[in-house]
Amino acid sequence: ETGVTQSPTHLIKTRGQQVTLRCSSQSGHNTVSWYQQALGQGPQFIFQYYREEENGRGNFPPRFSGLQFPNYSSELNVNALELDDSALYLCASSLGGPNSYGYTFGSGTRLTVV
Amino acid sequence: EDQVTQSPEALRLQEGESSSLNCSYTVSGLRGLFWYRQDPGKGPEFLFTLYSAGEEKEKERLKATLTKKESFLHITAPKPEDSATYLCAVFMDQGGKLIFGQGTELSVKP
Repeated sequence: ETGVTQSPTHLIKTRGQQVTLRCSSQSGHNTVSWYQQALGQGPQFIFQYYREEENGRGNFPPRFSGLQFPNYSSELNVNALELDDSALYLCASSLGGPNSYGYTFGSGTRLTVV
Repeated sequence: EDQVTQSPEALRLQEGESSSLNCSYTVSGLRGLFWYRQDPGKGPEFLFTLYSAGEEKEKERLKATLTKKESFLHITAPKPEDSATYLCAVFMDQGGKLIFGQGTELSVKP
């Protein structure tokens, strides 16, 4: 059991639609990062939230947005879905702040865009 | 540009056949290097963190080492249950970002 729960586990959406992915972290985990992992590739950093504020962002367009809530849950929202958005989306949370090494990953949400 | 490259992309071993996986990196502001194991359809599972050149860490059949430009994951006498994708990632100075390599898919046959 990782302590980081993501939902849903699988999702199929149509190009142009919007999607919200959810992540529930352990109590006290004040930092959450989201990653996109295409098939056969390593995860790519989308953004990080620390105490409900965006703390850093990777090379992803603004249609990728996020939220972090006081109850240690977070969301990744993707608007105007494109076929290339099909991937495994991972969240990782940490107890010790953005510079902590102790990130725990969830099992991910597999998004398929058709 | 910050970059992490893993080799080989895929590795097939017989049970008991030892080998090494390579992770080379060119980054500025390295704060640590991580190794993860990832099973199909799952999130990465933490194995090791290395902080400075010359450091080594071991866990069961796995041993990770670090130099100034690369890291190795040595697998001694692997078993079929060691089959997985192994990812390395560098932890960056800014924004708590991990930069991952593309992974090495390891298959161990009995």
